Amino acid sequence: GAVVSQHPSRVICKSGTSVKIECRSLDFQATTMFWYRQFPKQSLMLMATSNEGSKATYEQGVEKDKFLINHASLTLSTLTVTSAHPEDSSFYICSASGGGTAQHFGDGTRLSIL
Amino acid sequence: GQQLNQSPQSMFIQEGEDVSMNCTSSSIFNTWLWYKQDPGEGPVLLIALYKAGELTSNGRLTAQFGITRKDSFLNISASIPSDVGIYFCAAETSGSRLTFGEGTQLTVNP
Repeated sequence: GAVVSQHPSRVICKSGTSVKIECRSLDFQATTMFWYRQFPKQSLMLMATSNEGSKATYEQGVEKDKFLINHASLTLSTLTVTSAHPEDSSFYICSASGGGTAQHFGDGTRLSIL
Repeated sequence: GQQLNQSPQSMFIQEGEDVSMNCTSSSIFNTWLWYKQDPGEGPVLLIALYKAGELTSNGRLTAQFGITRKDSFLNISASIPSDVGIYFCAAETSGSRLTFGEGTQLTVNP
């Protein structure tokens, strides 16, 4: 089946640090990648949609200057949490879709800001 | 926004029992999906449904896309301990975006 790799799996860093998370589709070309955020015992909330070669589309209430998304190729999208603060601590998950197929998810990144 | 109402919120069953969970919405969708999430991992796609009335199986799992396009259910037959996890329904909206249900936490007692 489709494989989506997300790295790193866990990050612990100080407040004010910027953190970059990578999402790669390993065996298919992902025309669209998505970034989600999940708080404990809650569902996934879509943050933004990323299409290769174009600017990301952010959901209402998500700060685009806080969460920078780059989708430079058909196999790689990155999410950078800029100047992270404790309230940004969460589980961030990417997904990838190619040519109208169902979304396949990475294994997530646990971000902890001290 | 469009919301999916997933129930039950949690289930505690004995190994070997069958399980049923469902999602409903006031909105119409063209695609329904069911995912399973284990702790600390991303969701794994179980079944994708693309046509109203469609009934699809994947091993012991069976899911249906409601004829009104506003609901879907997932059945698990003869549950085993490794079925433990959180099951999410999801529906596809504009631009291939997904909206998720609140999840069903399944516990299977050996």
